[in-house]
Amino acid sequence: DTGVSQDPRHKITKRGQNVTFRCDPISEHNRLYWYRQTLGQGPEFLTYFQNEAQLEKSRLLSDRFSAERPKGSFSTLEIQRTEQGDSAMYLCASRALTGTKNIQYFGAGTRLSVL
Amino acid sequence: AQSVSQHNHHVILSEAASLELGCNYSYGGTVNLFWYVQYPGQHLQLLLKYFSGDPLVKGIKGFEAEFIKSKFSFNLRKPSVQWSDTAEYFCAVNAYSSASKIIFGSGTRLSIRP
Repeated sequence: DTGVSQDPRHKITKRGQNVTFRCDPISEHNRLYWYRQTLGQGPEFLTYFQNEAQLEKSRLLSDRFSAERPKGSFSTLEIQRTEQGDSAMYLCASRALTGTKNIQYFGAGTRLSVL
Repeated sequence: AQSVSQHNHHVILSEAASLELGCNYSYGGTVNLFWYVQYPGQHLQLLLKYFSGDPLVKGIKGFEAEFIKSKFSFNLRKPSVQWSDTAEYFCAVNAYSSASKIIFGSGTRLSIRP
């Protein structure tokens, strides 16, 4: 499968625990994006990377959230001290720097449930 | 700030009926426009896109959309829906010069009665 891969697909955690999600973009895609989607809503932008540089962060990304892309390939999104309001689907997308303009390809997402 | 409005939260149609889903966006500059579809249990997929040129764009599975700049609209249409079109449809916008985020609407759930 050469699409965007996310792991795990589902995560159930207790309030106050830390969780980490992983995203593997399409090979050679320079840009990687994280979105959050809650029930009945469209995806909301969280942050994006160009290679290993984090270039933009949404105000939705509180201090408890951190994202990294250390080698410009896969990325991780960590949520510390989870709250019930963090329950959502976390989506990753990637796109090439050139050639396909702004077409972002999405992974299947990680569904987080905070109990 | 950019925003996207989708007027219908849930649309129910019978097979072979015609479909039009409304989408309006708010942004003063040049935009890229998208419709994404999410079939039950599957990930978001690009249905069609508008970057420039002919304002009537055709996508996969017989869908098309028309960009009307004066109305800030990008409505999705299909002349005859099938049961397999049951899905959630998201309109989205990105500022033409922006490399970053896509702004999504809240989605329209389409249910097709067989």
